[in-house]
Amino acid sequence: EAQVTQNPRYLITVTGKKLTVTCSQNMNHEYMSWYRQDPGLGLRQIYYSMNVEVTDKGDVPEGYKVSRKEKRNFPLILESPSPNQTSLYFCASWGTEAFFGQGTRLTVV
Amino acid sequence: TQLLEQSPQFLSIQEGENLTVYCNSSSVFSSLQWYRQEPGEGPVLLVTVVTGGEVKKLKRLTFQFGDARKDSSLHITAAQPGDTGLYLCAATIQDSNYQLIWGAGTKLIIKP
Repeated sequence: EAQVTQNPRYLITVTGKKLTVTCSQNMNHEYMSWYRQDPGLGLRQIYYSMNVEVTDKGDVPEGYKVSRKEKRNFPLILESPSPNQTSLYFCASWGTEAFFGQGTRLTVV
Repeated sequence: TQLLEQSPQFLSIQEGENLTVYCNSSSVFSSLQWYRQEPGEGPVLLVTVVTGGEVKKLKRLTFQFGDARKDSSLHITAAQPGDTGLYLCAATIQDSNYQLIWGAGTKLIIKP
């Protein structure tokens, strides 16, 4: 079954404590992306990757890092989370259509 | 940054009514997709339209791509409470199939 797997689904953390949200896809897609979704703002792209070792900033990259060492994995790293990064995060991959993970609801206190 | 404007942003109607959601841009797109998102879940693809003027039907949902490939509409006939959700349009830009541009979404509530 084609899928994008994100973990964890829910995370509460404290300001400044580094965290990683994992994302894995099984469709051999070259293109992957991270989004955050906030009420009234829609999906905003954080980073995207067009292939292994090729990443680029999206619309809201500040405070985030990504890596693409393997085609299937695209982790999102928050080196020093802050409360304004509290949001619902989605990982997606696509070929002809976008497949999304189930989302990670992150709360930074 | 290219914009994909959706309207209305919010729509609440009674079961059985018809409705139309619009997705517009000043740019020409290679293709346009409509997604539906349930609360707390990721968006799920409903349809992809590629050819200008194309019309696709999915049960009570009718999707149309504008002749100039700059706009699209989603029409729901006899809306049901199960149609409630966030509807998102997304488009790929003409010179690159990698970038996916998203609309802000239309939150639709169908009241029984």
